[in-house]
Amino acid sequence: EVQLVESGGGLVQPGGSLRLSCAASGFTFSSHWMHWVRQGPGKGLVWVSRINSDGSITEYGDSVKGRFTISRDNAKNTLYLQMNSLRGDDTAVYYCSREKGGPLDYWGQGILVTVSS
Amino acid sequence: QPVLTQSPSASASLGASVNLTCTLDSGHSTYAIAWHQQQPEKGPRYLMRVKNDGTNDKGDGIPDRFSGSSSGADRFLKISSLQSEDEADYYCQTWGAGIGVFGGGTKLTVL
Repeated sequence: EVQLVESGGGLVQPGGSLRLSCAASGFTFSSHWMHWVRQGPGKGLVWVSRINSDGSITEYGDSVKGRFTISRDNAKNTLYLQMNSLRGDDTAVYYCSREKGGPLDYWGQGILVTVSS
Repeated sequence: QPVLTQSPSASASLGASVNLTCTLDSGHSTYAIAWHQQQPEKGPRYLMRVKNDGTNDKGDGIPDRFSGSSSGADRFLKISSLQSEDEADYYCQTWGAGIGVFGGGTKLTVL
C-alpha cells in the first residue's frame, strides 16, 4: 500500500524557517518524481514544487521561488521542503504527492504550516 | 503555462448523474488532465487521467460510477448514481513547461 506521511509543520513567525518531511512507503520511491502542493485556508490547491527521481532537477512555483528548496533522500525514502523567509500567505496545509507520468496519483494527508507572530 | 477553468459550484440529486467540466486554454487544448476529489477535511484523492482523445485511466479503487471524456478543450468528469459521499471539491490538474497547474475547483453539492 502506497503511503505518504508528512511531518514538520507548525507555527512559525514571519521571516522564519521550517523544514517539512514526507516519508514514503509501499512503492519504489527512487523511481518517481515527487511534488509539494499547498492549500491555503478555504482556498484551492496550488502547486509548489517538484523534484525528479534522482534529485538532479527541481522546479518551483513563482510564489516560492528563491525561498523554498525541495530535496530528497532516496536511501531514506524521504522527501523534504525547506521553507525560508516565510510569510503570512505561506500559511497552508502542505501535501506531498507522487507523480506517475504527469498525474499526481497518491497524496499524503497533509501538514499544517501557520505563519504568524 | 496551461490555464484550467472550472465552474465554482455544481449540484445534483442523490442517485442522479452530474458532469463536471474542466476547460484548457486555447494554447494547451490538447493536454491531458487529471481529476482529483477532496472530501471535506480530507486530503485530495486521485480519480483518473483524461487524455485529449477521451481515453482515461483510473486510480486504484475508483468505482465505475466515475468516468471521464473529452471534447475539444473540455475535459469532463461524469459521476453516476450520486451518493452522499460524492459531495466534495473536485479539481483538475495538468502539467507542462516544468510546472504543475490546478483548476480553481468545483464544489459539488448532493441534494
